[in-house]
Order: sequence, then C-alpha cells, then structure tokens
Amino acid sequence: SAVISQKPSRDICQRGTSLTIQCQVDSQVTMMFWYRQQPGQSLTLIATANQGSEATYESGFVIDKFPISRPNLTFSTLTVSNMSPEDSSIYLCSAEPGTEAFFGQGTRLTVV
Amino acid sequence: EDKVVQSPLSLVVHEGDTVTLNCSYEVTNFRSLLWYKQEKKAPTFLFMLTSSGIEKKSGRLSSILDKKELFSILNITATQTGDSAIYLCAADPYSGTYKYIFGTGTRLKVLA
Repeated sequence: SAVISQKPSRDICQRGTSLTIQCQVDSQVTMMFWYRQQPGQSLTLIATANQGSEATYESGFVIDKFPISRPNLTFSTLTVSNMSPEDSSIYLCSAEPGTEAFFGQGTRLTVV
Repeated sequence: EDKVVQSPLSLVVHEGDTVTLNCSYEVTNFRSLLWYKQEKKAPTFLFMLTSSGIEKKSGRLSSILDKKELFSILNITATQTGDSAIYLCAADPYSGTYKYIFGTGTRLKVLA
C-alpha cells in the first residue's frame, strides 16, 4: 500500500488566479495520476505524470491549463491556471506502488 | 469506446439490510476491476478482481467478477450507517499504465 499526502485540502480562489496542488507519496512510484471529479460526477483522468518526462494529458485537458511537475519519484504538483467557476471540483492524485491505485485525500476547489 | 456503468445510481436502505451494487464494463484488453469507497473526497481501496468466479471478502463486504458477462457485484450485508458513501468501480484496461476507467458510482445511504 501507499500513503499519499495531498494539500491543500480545500481552497476558495478568485477567478483568473492559479492554484498549485501538491502530492507526496511515502514510497517511490513510477507513475502518478491526476483526476478531476466535478460535482455529482465520477473521476476523470486529467494526466499521467512520469518522473523525468512531460506529463501525458487526456483528451480535453491541456498543459497550459493544467501544468504538472514531477521532479522525483515521490512528488508531483498540479496547477490549475487562470481559474473559472467551471474549475470548481475535487482534484485527486493517485499512485500505483503495486497492483492497485491509492489516492490522496483530495483537494476541494471552489472558484468564485 | 471503453466504458464502465454502475447501477443503481443511488440507494437508500435501513441498517441491517443487504445491498448489491452492480458494475458492468466494456473495456478492451481488460486486466482487472477495482472497487473503491468514497466517503468524503478520497476513494479508499476495497477490492481488486482479476479472475472470474472467485469471491473476495472483507468483513461484511464481498465482491465477485464475471468476465464472460462483463460485470461485477459488490455485496454489503448487515449494512451500518458507516457504510454510507459513494461506491466506485473502475476497470483497468491493460495499456502499460494504470489508467483506470471509472463508473459514475452508486451513492448509498444507510438510515439508522
């Protein structure tokens, strides 16, 4: 198993600003994932973050809006840029140290 | 297109009832199916199923996979109010990464 610490837990942000979410894993993992969960919806994968290479973005998500860093095998950040109210969601990071994915505690973002 | 469908979308029961949650999938190169419990923000891992017909059990929860009919069920017996949560199933399409496809979830509410 893995313990993933994600912060901030929640934030309320003004539109047009940016927020960076951090995830720290207690063990080295090859891949980390960033998900978005809009109200009443399931989890949608934003991107896959590998250490030492550019993140791979899913359809509908772009690097300019959601830049990701992966400086080492235990840490990653997701930035939500130029926020609008439509970005209000829960953002989750996950990692797969073994055979199944584990999740951080999530960040509840409200854009006003 | 790969997809995962869960039913029912929501369910209200009384303590002590038994519930069955359903998950059907259409996924190319299927590898495994996972169940998660989401109480606030972070999904917590319940089960991973890879083989048909083998029940996995943890306390009052159990799950089984049917790879011929492409579905899985999650059973919860003697429900308690603490079982109230969103239950998510996810399919893992083998692609060299752990890019899960999540269903929309079943929202379970257990009344005292």
